[in-house]
Amino acid sequence: QVQLVQSGAEVKEPGASVKVSCQASGYTFNFYYIHWVRQAPGQGLEWMGRITPNDGDTNYAQKFHGRVTMTRDTSITTSYLELTTLKFDDTAMYYCAKETRSATGMGLDYWGQGTLVSVSS
Amino acid sequence: SSELTQPPSVSVSPGQTATITCSGNNLGDKYVCWYQQKPGQSPVVVIYQDRRRRSGIPARFSGSKSGNTATLTISGTQAMDEADYYCQAWDNNIHVLFGGGTKLTVL
Repeated sequence: QVQLVQSGAEVKEPGASVKVSCQASGYTFNFYYIHWVRQAPGQGLEWMGRITPNDGDTNYAQKFHGRVTMTRDTSITTSYLELTTLKFDDTAMYYCAKETRSATGMGLDYWGQGTLVSVSS
Repeated sequence: SSELTQPPSVSVSPGQTATITCSGNNLGDKYVCWYQQKPGQSPVVVIYQDRRRRSGIPARFSGSKSGNTATLTISGTQAMDEADYYCQAWDNNIHVLFGGGTKLTVL
């Protein structure tokens, strides 16, 4: 069955960096984009960007340009989100989710369980 | 940048029909998806390509679109449908846009 399994919760100080992983299984890794979406406590969903696994091409939301890096390791079907220069309002649940590359409009059909990143001094 | 606008909250009595709208510039030219998110859980897509229901989603969920407004309709709403609902579209087929979310309360 399709699974996206994310790394565990993180607590970071302001100014630090965090790297979250998302291991995919149950489907052909290269056939689907991996998106990263975050959700601050009590707030809505916020798209951060996506990566194309087969070539590593990335597209980031303008808001995160310069602070976010998405990478992948195809040998272990794992994607990574790194966010630098953390601020208090980066405290959120971070989700990975996949989207098919073979058709448009299909949505983000499977999501990871989320990784809570807390920024605290 | 494009924005998607949803009502913050919708209330419905059990068995009645709930409608949640999503409006945005040029939404008529974009595919729309709808997600359900229950407390403490990851979002789940319920509608994709404007009106197609994901496998396993009850038939009481339906999607439609007219002009720049998409609508999620839940017919015969049940208590288990109480959740946050988000619409989603794409900008230039790459950037993902989410609506602000609608909290559905089943009274």
